[in-house]
Amino acid sequence: AQSVAQPEDQVNVAEGNPLTVKCTYSVSGNPYLFWYVQYPNRGLQFLLKYITGDNLVKGSYGFEAEFNKSQTSFHLKKPSALVSDSALYFCAVVDSGGYQKVTFGIGTKLQVIP
Amino acid sequence: DGGITQSPKYLFRKEGQNVTLSCEQNLNHDAMYWYRQDPGQGLRLIYYSQIVNDFQKGDIAEGYSVSREKKESFPLTVTSAQKNPTAFYLCASSIVTYQPQHFGDGTRLSIL
Repeated sequence: AQSVAQPEDQVNVAEGNPLTVKCTYSVSGNPYLFWYVQYPNRGLQFLLKYITGDNLVKGSYGFEAEFNKSQTSFHLKKPSALVSDSALYFCAVVDSGGYQKVTFGIGTKLQVIP
Repeated sequence: DGGITQSPKYLFRKEGQNVTLSCEQNLNHDAMYWYRQDPGQGLRLIYYSQIVNDFQKGDIAEGYSVSREKKESFPLTVTSAQKNPTAFYLCASSIVTYQPQHFGDGTRLSIL
């Protein structure tokens, strides 16, 4: 069965500092990986995806993520955090070899401190 | 503007009552999904549909039902068999299942 782990419930970072939100996954085939952001009482917004190709993926709002097959990780990063980045972040995976059902992580709350 | 519309934004259910949550998309997407969001549990998949007139159970389908008679519509019924329906319900769509999903702004369901 496929799964996604986001090991940190909350990440605190000072404004202007780099941020990392961690994600690891488990699938039987090749993974399709996604990051989404959710603001309070809103739906999720897509940030970036890894389907195939370059391991470093660039997305919206200055975010990027690095696919690491050996560590089965897909950590979200940003070089300089903004207070407006404070939100709930979700990692998701689809197993290309399975029924292509998507599985989301439980989410990580990012708090950027002014 | 293309997108997904969920209605109503807030819904209250009485004991023993079925309620239906609406989800409409004008993105011409084939795949549609329903998720339940509870604090600290992330998103859990209730049902998904990859094409009109076909749908599959997700991880927590018990107490819920869906239909997909039109490409743009995927309503979710929360039946009286769902004993703990209080949650934030999110509808989403995508071109295909392995492409990014577009989400509506959710319906918050509470028990009266």
